[in-house]
Order: sequence, then C-alpha cells, then structure tokens
Amino acid sequence: GAVVSQHPSWVICKSGTSVKIECRSLDFQATTMFWYRQFPKQSLMLMATSNEGSKATYEQGVEKDKFLINHASLTLSTLTVTSAHPEDSSFYICSANGAEKLFFGSGTQLSVL
Amino acid sequence: GENVEQHPSTLSVQEGDSAVIKCTYSDSASNYFPWYKQELGKRPQLIIDIRSNVGEKKDQRIAVTLNKTAKHFSLHITETQPEDSAVYFCAASTGGFKTIFGAGTRLFVKA
Repeated sequence: GAVVSQHPSWVICKSGTSVKIECRSLDFQATTMFWYRQFPKQSLMLMATSNEGSKATYEQGVEKDKFLINHASLTLSTLTVTSAHPEDSSFYICSANGAEKLFFGSGTQLSVL
Repeated sequence: GENVEQHPSTLSVQEGDSAVIKCTYSDSASNYFPWYKQELGKRPQLIIDIRSNVGEKKDQRIAVTLNKTAKHFSLHITETQPEDSAVYFCAASTGGFKTIFGAGTRLFVKA
C-alpha cells in the first residue's frame, strides 16, 4: 500500500513556542492531504484539508491562524501549531489519498508544557 | 456536513465468537465507507472498505455490509482472536476522500 511518513513522532515544547509537523507521501503524489487531531480515547477529528498550491480548507471551529498548513509540493504538507498552549497537547495525524484509498501517517504526539 | 454514529462504544467477546459493530451516516452523497483498526499510540490501519455500488464485501474473517437506503453499514468479525483487540473506527466519505470518522469501538477479545 501507499506509504505516508510523518515527523516528528513526538515533541515536547514550552508554552508559547511553535511546532512544525511534516507529512510526506513517499511513493505517490498527493494533491490533497488531511490533518486530524485525536485526544486520548477519542475519535479522529478532521481539522483541515490541505490542497497543493492553494489555501487549506479548515473545519468549523479550527483556528486557521493557530494551525498553519502549507502544501507546497505534491508530496509534502506541513502543520505548524503556533504559540502552542497545554490545551493543544494531542495526537496529530495526517493522511493522504493513495490508489483511491486513504492512508495515514504514523502520527505526532505533541505535549505542551 | 456528514455525521457518523458508531455503536457500541465498547464490545467484549469471548475468543472464537463473532463481533459486530454498526454505523450510520447522515449524508446520502457518501459513497465510500472504510473501516480502520487502531492500536494504542499507532496510526489507523485500513482493514476493509466498501463502495456504494456494493452491498457486501468479505475478506477472510472480516466482512462489511452496506444498506444505502437506511444509511447503515456494519463490520462483522468472525472467529475473533485476542490480537483482534483494538479500537475500530468506521468512516464515511463523499469523494475527494474528505473522511469523517465514527466515535470508535473498543473491542476486547477474551482468551
């Protein structure tokens, strides 16, 4: 199946700093990628749709100025959590279409102190 | 927008028994219904999927059924094994693969 790589796997940062998470499709091109957020023992909540070469589409309630998404190439989308606070601590996971199926990155556990 | 409801939230079965998880969706335009298995701290893994032009699909011990009229779809796992223990998510997509997930079912298979 298609491979989606996500880095870093985990990150610990101080409150007020920014964190960048990368999502790469390794063996296919993805014009569209998706970013999800998952709290412990909860479901995956869609945050935004990342479109190559254009602005991301955010879901209702997601602050676009806080969660900056850039999809500059067909194989890379980045999510930057700006001015992170403890309530932003969560498991962030990206996904991309490959062979008409949705494949997920390995996820990033963000802990904001 | 799409809303996916999933039941039960927790399911405990004896090894060898069957497990059934049910989902409903709200958007009649949804045409792709994947099921994912997620182990603690890991990425969701696609285990089976079904498209709207098919009523049933089977892959070894796993089967999925779809009733488009009722907007229901279900996952059936037969001859459950302890390694089937995980969280299972149903999902629905309207194309473009913007996928909305159900709340998840925590499956425990007791040896």
